Formats: sequence, C-alpha cells, structure tokens
Amino acid sequence: GQQVMQIPQYQHVQEGEDFTTYCNSSTTLSNIQWYKQRPGGHPVFLIQLVKSGEVKKQKRLTFQFGEAKKNSSLHITATQTTDVGTYFCAGRLGGGSNYKLTFGKGTLLTVNP
Amino acid sequence: GAVVSQHPSWVICKSGTSVKIECRSLDFQATTMFWYRQFPKQSLMLMATSNEGSKATYEQGVEKDKFLINHASLTLSTLTVTSAHPEDSSFYICSALQGEINQPQHFGDGTRLSIL
Repeated sequence: GQQVMQIPQYQHVQEGEDFTTYCNSSTTLSNIQWYKQRPGGHPVFLIQLVKSGEVKKQKRLTFQFGEAKKNSSLHITATQTTDVGTYFCAGRLGGGSNYKLTFGKGTLLTVNP
Repeated sequence: GAVVSQHPSWVICKSGTSVKIECRSLDFQATTMFWYRQFPKQSLMLMATSNEGSKATYEQGVEKDKFLINHASLTLSTLTVTSAHPEDSSFYICSALQGEINQPQHFGDGTRLSIL
C-alpha cells in the first residue's frame, strides 16, 4: 500500500551535534506534518508544510518540503537533551476529502549530555 | 491550545472483557476523530476514522465488530474493544481534527490496554 518511509530509525548524538531525519513518499503528498512524541507521551504537532519547496524554521528546527512534494526533512541544529523523543512525519496522500494521515515509522533521537 | 482528553489512561483486565475508551475534544468541536494503535517503539497505525453522526471508516484488516466506534457528538468518540484477548494489548491513541482538512491533528494521551 501507500507508504511514507522515514529514515533513520534511530539516531544517537552528542549534545550540540546536529540531527536530521528524512521522509520519502512514492506518491505526491498534499501536505506533510511533523510530530514529536516524548517517551511515554503522545504525539505533539510541530509544523505543517503545504507548498512545493517550502522551508520553515522554529528556533533550532528547520523543516523542508521537496519540490516534487514527495519528500521532507527535519533538521535540528545543536541538539539539546530536551530534543529527545521520536519524530514522526505524516503525509496526506492525494487530495479531496481524504482526511487521513499516513505516518512514517519515526526516528528515535537520543542525546548524550 | 486545542486539548484532547482520552480516558482511561491504563486498563488491565481479563481476557473476554469488553473495554470502552473515550476521546473528548475539550475546547473545540471535532467532526472527525481518528483511532490509532501503536506497538512499542513502532509507528502509529490508523485503525479507523470516526465521523460525527455517521459510521466509522475502518482501515483494511481492522475488524469492525471487534473495534466498535461511536461518534455520537461533536466532542466525543468512543472505541470499544469487544471480548478483548491478549493480542489486543497495545497502546490506543485518538486524535481529533480541528477545523479544516489541512489542520493538524490533536492527540489524546493514549490508553495502555493490557489483557491478561
């Protein structure tokens, strides 16, 4: 079926290092959303990208949406221990009245202080 | 911000028991809610889309008679796991869509279900 692939599955960094997670879809996405889930918690919405080539920043986080709207990335500059958690991308496949989001498998980020 | 309340947080019960989980949008109306299942260190797997006033739309492979969904009001959806068995043990989490189709989903805290 239609999938959103996300890599890497795990990433361990030293505090201060950068981190990037990538999402890729075989089909064009209407939009892509990013969520963060802390250990034992629930997913929390971070951002949504809609336009081709869109780039958005939230402090140390930079989100990109590919020109073909098939891939996206989340980059964290100078990681901190508070960045620990699983980062999920979630794409809306197709358009129209399709409300569903297809989640990537997530990237678990651990940060060594 | 938009708040979604999910209850209960934890359930431990015997095999054969039916368990009802509630998902409420506290400060907004949600015509559409979603029910997910998440296994440890895994992604969220959509089980069904719950629409207020109509039947839920189930994903392929999800048993309708096993996982009963009722979305009776704009702020409440319930998931009932009928005759639960150990293989139904999982983390169940709901989300509610606030407003238009391209708006973010707001997640509840999840329910950890353990069937003995």
